[in-house]
Amino acid sequence: QKEVEQNSGPLSVPEGAIASLNCTYSDRVSQSFFWYRQYSGKSPELIMSIYSNGDKEDGRFTAQLNKASQYVSLLIRDSQPSDSATYLCAVYNSGTYKYIFGTGTRLKVLA
Amino acid sequence: GAVVSQHPSRVICKSGTSVKIECRSLDFQATTMFWYRQFPKQSLMLMATSNEGSKATYEQGVEKDKFLINHASLTLSTLTVTSAHPEDSSFYICSARGGGAGETQYFGPGTRLLVL
Repeated sequence: QKEVEQNSGPLSVPEGAIASLNCTYSDRVSQSFFWYRQYSGKSPELIMSIYSNGDKEDGRFTAQLNKASQYVSLLIRDSQPSDSATYLCAVYNSGTYKYIFGTGTRLKVLA
Repeated sequence: GAVVSQHPSRVICKSGTSVKIECRSLDFQATTMFWYRQFPKQSLMLMATSNEGSKATYEQGVEKDKFLINHASLTLSTLTVTSAHPEDSSFYICSARGGGAGETQYFGPGTRLLVL
């Protein structure tokens, strides 16, 4: 089992819809969780970090964390074609002191 | 958010030469910097972690004598690819973290290396 798992996609949603991206992790000692967006040929850019169970909202983005289920998700409301990118989930493992990245989910927002 | 720069953004070199890539945190002090490599259509691969004033910690399979990392100050880390070969051609990305363990990493824009 991979430490951080994401569906590679592509996930296609129509413009204006809600895109839901999911990530599961294997190590319960994980403390910090991050979502990054990576456009093709570019480096990752931070969208959001989340540390506590529950929801965290920032503009059109909502991160959801459920430590009991070892699950973190990212919702993108009112999806735009410019949101089309690969979304990387990252988890900080306090046991190994490492940030573990998922392989990313490719999102396509159709105009 | 915090700003991390990388230089150069793109480099083409001949096989056998060495290439130095700089990573700077512009508006915060980076206690830890990370170096990643990403091949086309693949995920990020962590190469090494460096803390200011300490030797870098390399991931398994990454040759420390080939990929020299120096983290001389709280705002600068360098990666030198020594005796580069075509298989070293890749997208090298640094990231920096200002706070403690588990805090957010901020990525630089990356350096695209092509070795002929």
